[in-house]
Amino acid sequence: SQTIHQWPATLVQPVGSPLSLECTVEGTSNPNLYWYRQAAGRGLQLLFYSIGIDQISSEVPQNLSASRPQDRQFILSSKKLLLSDSGFYLCAWAGTGIGYTFGSGTRLTVV
Amino acid sequence: GNSVTQMEGPVTLSEEAFLTINCTYTATGYPSLFWYVQYPGEGLQLLLKATKADDKGSNKGFEATYRKETTSFHLEKGSVQVSDSAVYFCALTEIGGTSYGKLTFGQGTILTVHP
Repeated sequence: SQTIHQWPATLVQPVGSPLSLECTVEGTSNPNLYWYRQAAGRGLQLLFYSIGIDQISSEVPQNLSASRPQDRQFILSSKKLLLSDSGFYLCAWAGTGIGYTFGSGTRLTVV
Repeated sequence: GNSVTQMEGPVTLSEEAFLTINCTYTATGYPSLFWYVQYPGEGLQLLLKATKADDKGSNKGFEATYRKETTSFHLEKGSVQVSDSAVYFCALTEIGGTSYGKLTFGQGTILTVHP
């Protein structure tokens, strides 16, 4: 069966520090992978998606970047965090069927 | 582009009350429609889906019918429970082309059910 792992679950980071959130998928090959952010009191915004290794598309200009060094690994990064980067980050994958499977999320607080 | 509009919350109900959360959409193609639920402190879980007009998705007592003529996908439940308290998201995706399966979400509706 397919599973998706996302870590860490919570993170508190100072402004200006770097960020690395990791997401891995098991039990599937060549999935489409996605990073979403949910800011406090708001809906979900698609940040990045990837249809293959090293193939990353950005949906919105921002302080973040994404990488996919392996087929089932998707990493969200920042060199210098801003206060506005706080939020709940969700990784998701979509295979050949319809619908997403989401990770459990990372709650990031930038202080 | 695609968009999803949900009724504004929060929605507060007593246990066993009837629930409706409205959702309407605009899409350039022929989308698939979803309802996701987010329980406190957790990620999103797929609640139900519908892939073509007049399809009815159902799960855990929740239902939603894909209405192409009104571009709607309203979520309903006949008798809510305290455990249904969560945030509910309506979403759509288009298959094929350059969509790459990207989901477009509504803003979410907070549901609180009191005993």
